[in-house]
Amino acid sequence: AQSVAQPEDQVNVAEGNPLTVKCTYSVSGNPYLFWYVQYPNRGLQFLLKYITGDNLVKGSYGFEAEFNKSQTSFHLKKPSALVSDSALYFCAVRALYSSASKIIFGSGTRLSIRP
Amino acid sequence: GAGVSQSPRYKVAKRGQDVALRCDPISGHVSLFWYQQALGQGPEFLTYFQNEAQLDKSGLPSDRFFAERPEGSVSTLKIQRTQQEDSAVYLCASTLGKGATEAFFGQGTRLTVV
Repeated sequence: AQSVAQPEDQVNVAEGNPLTVKCTYSVSGNPYLFWYVQYPNRGLQFLLKYITGDNLVKGSYGFEAEFNKSQTSFHLKKPSALVSDSALYFCAVRALYSSASKIIFGSGTRLSIRP
Repeated sequence: GAGVSQSPRYKVAKRGQDVALRCDPISGHVSLFWYQQALGQGPEFLTYFQNEAQLDKSGLPSDRFFAERPEGSVSTLKIQRTQQEDSAVYLCASTLGKGATEAFFGQGTRLTVV
């Protein structure tokens, strides 16, 4: 069975500081991993994905994420936070090479960037 | 269209009423997902289609929930005899392919059962 854990309900960071939003996953076989962001009253927007290859993937708005197979983690990072990054962030996983597999989301982490 | 379109955006239903929520995916997208999202929570998987085939409906909470995608494009999520616990945002997403491609989400339908 697939599952995603986001251990932090909220992350608070000062503007200009680096940020990390944590995600761990469980899936049979190799995973596809995704990060999405959700602003108030909006749908989910895709940020980045990991399929295979380089463990560090870069995405939209300066975000990046590091895949760590041994720790089954896919943490989201940004070197310098902006106030406009404040939003709800979701990690998601889908089993690789399984055409019938669903995309499972974590419970979300609210990122708050203070000026 | 340019993105995933859901209608209506907002729906208020009286308890016991039937509702139908529509999703118009991105043209040519093979896969379509429905999710239920409570306020401040992550999207909970409901069901998944590949073209017109419903491959997974394990997340549907009861037999009051039914989804279809008869021609492999537009999908409808139907909820019969709505209950207050059905109040949530219902999100639809589509993907171009079967595996690695990212899902594109609609803005959702906010259902309130009174």
